[in-house]
Formats: sequence, structure tokens, C-alpha cells
Amino acid sequence: AQSVTQPDIHITVSEGASLELRCNYSYGATPYLFWYVQSPGQGLQLLLKYFSGDTLVQGIKGFEAEFKRSQSSFNLRKPSVHWSDAAEYFCAVVPYSGGGADGLTFGKGTHLIIQP
Amino acid sequence: AAGVIQSPRHLIKEKRETATLKCYPIPRHDTVYWYQQGPGQDPQFLISFYEKMQSDKGSIPDRFSAQQFSDYHSELNMSSLELGDSALYFCASSPSRGRGNTEAFFGQGTRLTVV
Repeated sequence: AQSVTQPDIHITVSEGASLELRCNYSYGATPYLFWYVQSPGQGLQLLLKYFSGDTLVQGIKGFEAEFKRSQSSFNLRKPSVHWSDAAEYFCAVVPYSGGGADGLTFGKGTHLIIQP
Repeated sequence: AAGVIQSPRHLIKEKRETATLKCYPIPRHDTVYWYQQGPGQDPQFLISFYEKMQSDKGSIPDRFSAQQFSDYHSELNMSSLELGDSALYFCASSPSRGRGNTEAFFGQGTRLTVV
């Protein structure tokens, strides 16, 4: 079964500083990869996704992520964070298979705190 | 743009009662997913439906059942509720089954509290 590891439970970043959130996955083949953001008590919003092709993907709100097959990683980055980026970030995977209705497997999440 | 609608937004039930959560997918989305997110936890996949048939099953307890109706809305039925069922329940929908490269759009969730 696939699994997702987000090694950092909490990360504190100063406003305007750069950000990198780590995500590693364990799966026999390359899965489809996603980053979601969740504000307190809210639903999950998709930031970006990787299916194939260019390993550097651009998302919404100025986020990007890089897929590295050799490291089984899909780290999320942003060059300059804003106070509104404070939220919970989840990395997720779904198997590459014929079943498109397979459920997502999420990491435990990284709580991002922005310091003024 | 239309989003995934979940009702109710909040629900309080007593132990051993039953609860029904409803999900209305985005128009023309034929696939629905249910997730459970406990306090401070990551979302856990419960079950999914494609074209009114169960498609994938995750960690859904036997006390729970779900179905997708002809208008593609879905209901999650939960019986013999336990305190541990208190969680945020998300529904998501996607436009087509196909391969996994279809984005799932999440609703705002139903917060279930069992007392």
C-alpha cells in the first residue's frame, strides 16, 4: 500500500521568507501527487498536482512543487510567504491505475505558522 | 462556479443514534468520495462511487454505509454512533472516473459531534 510522509509537523516562517514543505511517498510506481491546503474548519483546496511530464509544476497562490523520482519526493515551495498562507498543508497520492475513483492517501500534514 | 455541497454543516448526535450526511457533487461530476478527518488528523478515505456503483473502499466501518443516487448525490449513513465517530466528514467529487489524473474537488465538510 502506498504511504505519504510529511516529516515536519510544524514549520514557522517569517513573512516574506521562502518556504519549503517536504513530502516523501512510498509506492511501487509513480503515483499521481497532490498538495492540498486547509484553513481551520474549512475544506481542502487543491494547490497543485503532478501527473506526468515536467517535474516542476506550478500551482495557485504562487506555489510550486518539484517531483524527484530518485528521492520519491514532491516538495512544495513558495519564494515569499504571506500571512494568509498560514494553514495546514497536506501532501496526497493516488495510485496510477485504471481506477480513477481510488481514494487519496494523505500525509499527516504540516502546520505552517507565519511570523510577522 | 458551483461547488460540492454538503449538508448539514454541523450535526450533534448521541451515542448509539444514527446520522445521515448528504453530498451534492458539482454538476456533471459522476464520481463521489467520502473522507473522515478526526481532530488534528489527516483525512482518511472511506469509500467512493462512480456512476452509482461502489468503486473503491477504504477504512469505512461496517456500521457505516453509503450510496450514490440517480441524480449523483450521495448519502453516508452512520449507525450505532460512537464517541470516536466525532470528526469532520468530507465529500469530494470528480468529473470522470478514468485514470487517477482527475482532480477531486472537496466540499466544506460536515462536522459531526457524538455526545
